Amino acid sequence: DGGITQSPKYLFRKEGQNVTLSCEQNLNHDAMYWYRQDPGQGLRLIYYSQIVNDFQKGDIAEGYSVSREKKESFPLTVTSAQKNPTAFYLCASSQRASSYEQYFGPGTRLTVT
Amino acid sequence: ELKVEQNPLFLSMQEGKNYTIYCNYSTTSDRLYWYRQDPGKSLESLFVLLSNGAVKQEGRLMASLDTKARLSTLHITAAVHDLSATYFCAVDDAGGTSYGKLTFGQGTILTVHP
Repeated sequence: DGGITQSPKYLFRKEGQNVTLSCEQNLNHDAMYWYRQDPGQGLRLIYYSQIVNDFQKGDIAEGYSVSREKKESFPLTVTSAQKNPTAFYLCASSQRASSYEQYFGPGTRLTVT
Repeated sequence: ELKVEQNPLFLSMQEGKNYTIYCNYSTTSDRLYWYRQDPGKSLESLFVLLSNGAVKQEGRLMASLDTKARLSTLHITAAVHDLSATYFCAVDDAGGTSYGKLTFGQGTILTVHP
Protein backbone atom coordinates (compact mmCIF):
# COMPACT_ATOMS: atom_id res chain seq x y z
CA ASP A 1 0.00 0.00 0.00
CA GLY A 2 1.29 3.46 -0.90
CA GLY A 3 1.28 6.08 1.77
CA ILE A 4 3.09 8.22 4.27
CA THR A 5 4.33 6.91 7.59
CA GLN A 6 5.37 8.94 10.58
CA SER A 7 7.00 7.59 13.69
CA PRO A 8 6.60 7.51 16.52
CA LYS A 9 2.92 8.31 17.05
CA TYR A 10 3.60 9.76 20.51
CA LEU A 11 6.90 11.19 21.71
CA PHE A 12 7.84 12.50 25.13
CA ARG A 13 11.02 14.46 25.77
CA LYS A 14 12.60 16.56 28.44
CA GLU A 15 13.21 20.23 27.80
CA GLY A 16 16.63 20.91 26.33
CA GLN A 17 16.83 17.70 24.31
CA ASN A 18 16.83 17.55 20.54
CA VAL A 19 14.39 15.09 19.00
CA THR A 20 14.01 13.79 15.45
CA LEU A 21 10.66 12.94 13.90
CA SER A 22 10.57 10.47 11.05
CA CYS A 23 8.59 10.84 7.81
CA GLU A 24 8.73 8.30 5.00
CA GLN A 25 6.65 8.09 1.82
CA ASN A 26 6.41 5.44 -0.89
CA LEU A 27 4.20 7.46 -3.22
CA ASN A 28 7.17 8.50 -5.36
CA HIS A 29 6.31 12.12 -4.65
CA ASP A 30 8.93 14.77 -5.29
CA ALA A 31 7.81 17.29 -2.68
CA MET A 32 7.55 16.85 1.08
CA TYR A 33 6.38 19.17 3.84
CA TRP A 34 6.36 19.53 7.60
CA TYR A 35 3.55 21.28 9.47
CA ARG A 36 2.87 22.03 13.07
CA GLN A 37 -0.63 22.12 14.58
CA ASP A 38 -1.41 23.58 17.98
CA PRO A 39 -4.69 22.82 19.77
CA GLY A 40 -7.67 24.49 18.11
CA GLN A 41 -5.59 25.99 15.35
CA GLY A 42 -4.79 25.48 11.71
CA LEU A 43 -1.56 24.08 10.34
CA ARG A 44 1.58 26.15 9.98
CA LEU A 45 4.35 25.29 7.55
CA ILE A 46 7.76 24.59 9.09
CA TYR A 47 9.89 23.43 6.14
CA TYR A 48 9.29 22.07 2.67
CA SER A 49 11.38 20.33 0.06
CA GLN A 50 10.57 20.12 -3.63
CA ILE A 51 13.53 17.97 -4.66
CA VAL A 52 16.21 15.86 -3.02
CA ASN A 53 19.04 17.81 -1.37
CA ASP A 54 17.04 21.03 -1.39
CA PHE A 55 14.61 22.53 1.13
CA GLN A 56 13.14 25.90 2.06
CA LYS A 57 12.01 27.49 5.27
CA GLY A 58 8.32 27.83 5.84
CA ASP A 59 6.60 30.33 8.09
CA ILE A 60 7.89 29.01 11.43
CA ALA A 61 11.31 27.41 10.78
CA GLU A 62 13.11 28.80 13.82
CA GLY A 63 14.20 26.03 16.19
CA TYR A 64 13.76 23.29 13.58
CA SER A 65 16.04 21.61 11.07
CA VAL A 66 15.48 19.14 8.23
CA SER A 67 17.39 17.08 5.70
CA ARG A 68 16.39 15.54 2.38
CA GLU A 69 19.01 13.02 1.39
CA LYS A 70 16.54 10.56 -0.14
CA LYS A 71 13.40 11.15 -2.12
CA GLU A 72 11.28 9.06 0.22
CA SER A 73 12.51 10.51 3.53
CA PHE A 74 12.23 13.95 5.15
CA PRO A 75 13.13 13.86 8.87
CA LEU A 76 12.47 16.85 11.11
CA THR A 77 14.63 17.68 14.12
CA VAL A 78 13.11 19.76 16.86
CA THR A 79 16.03 21.45 18.56
CA SER A 80 16.34 22.80 22.06
CA ALA A 81 16.10 26.28 20.54
CA GLN A 82 12.41 25.77 19.77
CA LYS A 83 10.69 27.55 22.63
CA ASN A 84 7.31 25.80 22.54
CA PRO A 85 7.87 22.41 20.91
CA THR A 86 4.81 20.62 22.30
CA ALA A 87 2.46 20.19 19.33
CA PHE A 88 1.05 17.80 16.75
CA TYR A 89 3.46 17.45 13.82
CA LEU A 90 2.20 16.45 10.40
CA CYS A 91 4.23 15.45 7.38
CA ALA A 92 2.82 15.63 3.86
CA SER A 93 3.93 14.92 0.32
CA SER A 94 2.81 15.88 -3.16
CA GLN A 95 3.74 15.40 -6.77
CA ARG A 96 5.42 18.40 -8.37
CA ALA A 97 2.94 18.65 -11.16
CA SER A 98 -0.74 19.00 -11.82
CA SER A 99 -2.67 19.74 -8.66
CA TYR A 100 0.13 19.65 -6.06
CA GLU A 101 -2.45 18.01 -3.83
CA GLN A 102 -0.84 17.20 -0.51
CA TYR A 103 -1.35 13.88 1.21
CA PHE A 104 -0.80 13.76 4.94
CA GLY A 105 0.75 11.21 7.25
CA PRO A 106 -0.88 10.17 10.54
CA GLY A 107 1.13 12.66 12.59
CA THR A 108 3.40 12.62 15.65
CA ARG A 109 2.24 14.12 18.90
CA LEU A 110 5.27 15.58 20.70
CA THR A 111 5.15 16.51 24.37
CA VAL A 112 8.10 18.29 25.95
CA THR A 113 8.19 18.78 29.71
CA GLU B 1 1.87 37.85 3.49
CA LEU B 2 -1.01 35.59 2.56
CA LYS B 3 -3.83 35.47 5.09
CA VAL B 4 -6.64 32.91 5.01
CA GLU B 5 -9.77 33.41 7.07
CA GLN B 6 -12.61 30.98 7.56
CA ASN B 7 -16.01 31.68 8.94
CA PRO B 8 -17.73 30.62 10.92
CA LEU B 9 -15.14 29.05 13.23
CA PHE B 10 -17.81 27.05 15.03
CA LEU B 11 -20.92 25.67 13.39
CA SER B 12 -23.62 23.71 15.13
CA MET B 13 -26.11 22.28 12.67
CA GLN B 14 -29.21 20.23 12.87
CA GLU B 15 -29.38 17.09 10.82
CA GLY B 16 -31.04 17.69 7.49
CA LYS B 17 -30.19 21.39 7.31
CA ASN B 18 -28.00 23.19 4.80
CA TYR B 19 -25.15 25.56 5.53
CA THR B 20 -22.07 27.16 3.97
CA ILE B 21 -18.54 27.64 5.26
CA TYR B 22 -16.63 30.56 3.77
CA CYS B 23 -12.92 30.85 3.09
CA ASN B 24 -11.50 34.28 2.23
CA TYR B 25 -7.89 34.88 1.31
CA SER B 26 -5.83 38.00 0.86
CA THR B 27 -3.63 37.59 -2.22
CA THR B 28 -3.96 36.28 -5.73
CA SER B 29 -4.08 32.51 -5.97
CA ASP B 30 -5.89 30.01 -8.14
CA ARG B 31 -5.17 26.92 -6.09
CA LEU B 32 -7.30 26.14 -3.09
CA TYR B 33 -7.77 22.94 -1.12
CA TRP B 34 -10.33 21.73 1.39
CA TYR B 35 -9.44 19.19 4.07
CA ARG B 36 -11.30 17.38 6.80
CA GLN B 37 -9.84 16.49 10.19
CA ASP B 38 -11.46 14.18 12.74
CA PRO B 39 -10.49 14.66 16.41
CA GLY B 40 -6.97 13.47 17.10
CA LYS B 41 -6.44 12.42 13.49
CA SER B 42 -4.60 13.63 10.44
CA LEU B 43 -6.01 15.54 7.49
CA GLU B 44 -8.03 14.00 4.70
CA SER B 45 -8.18 15.72 1.34
CA LEU B 46 -11.70 16.64 0.23
CA PHE B 47 -11.43 18.95 -2.77
CA VAL B 48 -8.82 20.49 -5.02
CA LEU B 49 -9.90 23.69 -6.80
CA LEU B 50 -7.50 24.88 -9.46
CA SER B 51 -9.21 27.62 -11.42
CA ASN B 52 -11.72 30.43 -11.21
CA GLY B 53 -15.23 29.06 -11.24
CA ALA B 54 -14.17 25.54 -10.27
CA VAL B 55 -16.90 23.53 -8.60
CA LYS B 56 -16.48 20.08 -7.10
CA GLN B 57 -19.06 17.89 -5.39
CA GLU B 58 -18.78 14.74 -3.32
CA GLY B 59 -21.85 13.43 -1.57
CA ARG B 60 -23.37 16.14 0.62
CA LEU B 61 -20.42 18.52 0.19
CA MET B 62 -19.84 20.96 -2.63
CA ALA B 63 -16.91 23.35 -2.95
CA SER B 64 -16.46 26.31 -5.26
CA LEU B 65 -13.79 28.89 -6.01
CA ASP B 66 -14.10 32.52 -7.08
CA THR B 67 -10.56 33.80 -7.58
CA LYS B 68 -11.68 37.32 -8.40
CA ALA B 69 -13.46 37.63 -5.07
CA ARG B 70 -10.70 35.57 -3.38
CA LEU B 71 -13.40 33.40 -1.89
CA SER B 72 -14.13 29.71 -1.67
CA THR B 73 -17.24 28.14 -0.21
CA LEU B 74 -17.93 24.69 1.17
CA HIS B 75 -21.64 23.99 1.05
CA ILE B 76 -23.20 21.27 3.17
CA THR B 77 -26.51 19.83 2.01
CA ALA B 78 -28.84 17.93 4.34
CA ALA B 79 -26.22 17.47 7.05
CA VAL B 80 -25.76 14.12 8.75
CA HIS B 81 -23.91 13.30 11.96
CA ASP B 82 -21.00 11.71 10.08
CA LEU B 83 -20.06 15.12 8.72
CA SER B 84 -19.10 16.32 12.21
CA ALA B 85 -15.40 17.24 11.98
CA THR B 86 -13.09 20.22 11.54
CA TYR B 87 -12.85 21.58 8.01
CA PHE B 88 -9.86 23.52 6.77
CA CYS B 89 -9.29 25.46 3.62
CA ALA B 90 -5.73 26.01 2.43
CA VAL B 91 -4.47 28.36 -0.22
CA ASP B 92 -1.36 27.84 -2.29
CA ASP B 93 0.96 30.82 -2.07
CA ALA B 94 1.61 30.09 -5.70
CA GLY B 95 4.08 31.55 -8.09
CA GLY B 96 6.88 29.99 -9.99
CA THR B 97 8.71 27.46 -7.89
CA SER B 98 6.62 28.03 -4.79
CA TYR B 99 3.80 25.69 -5.63
CA GLY B 100 2.85 23.62 -2.65
CA LYS B 101 3.49 26.29 -0.02
CA LEU B 102 0.10 26.23 1.69
CA THR B 103 -1.39 28.68 4.13
CA PHE B 104 -4.24 27.20 6.16
CA GLY B 105 -7.33 28.82 7.58
CA GLN B 106 -8.10 28.47 11.27
CA GLY B 107 -10.55 25.67 10.67
CA THR B 108 -14.32 25.40 11.14
CA ILE B 109 -15.49 22.98 13.80
CA LEU B 110 -18.73 21.48 12.56
CA THR B 111 -21.07 19.64 14.89
CA VAL B 112 -24.19 18.02 13.48
CA HIS B 113 -26.83 17.07 16.01
CA PRO B 114 -30.23 15.39 15.76
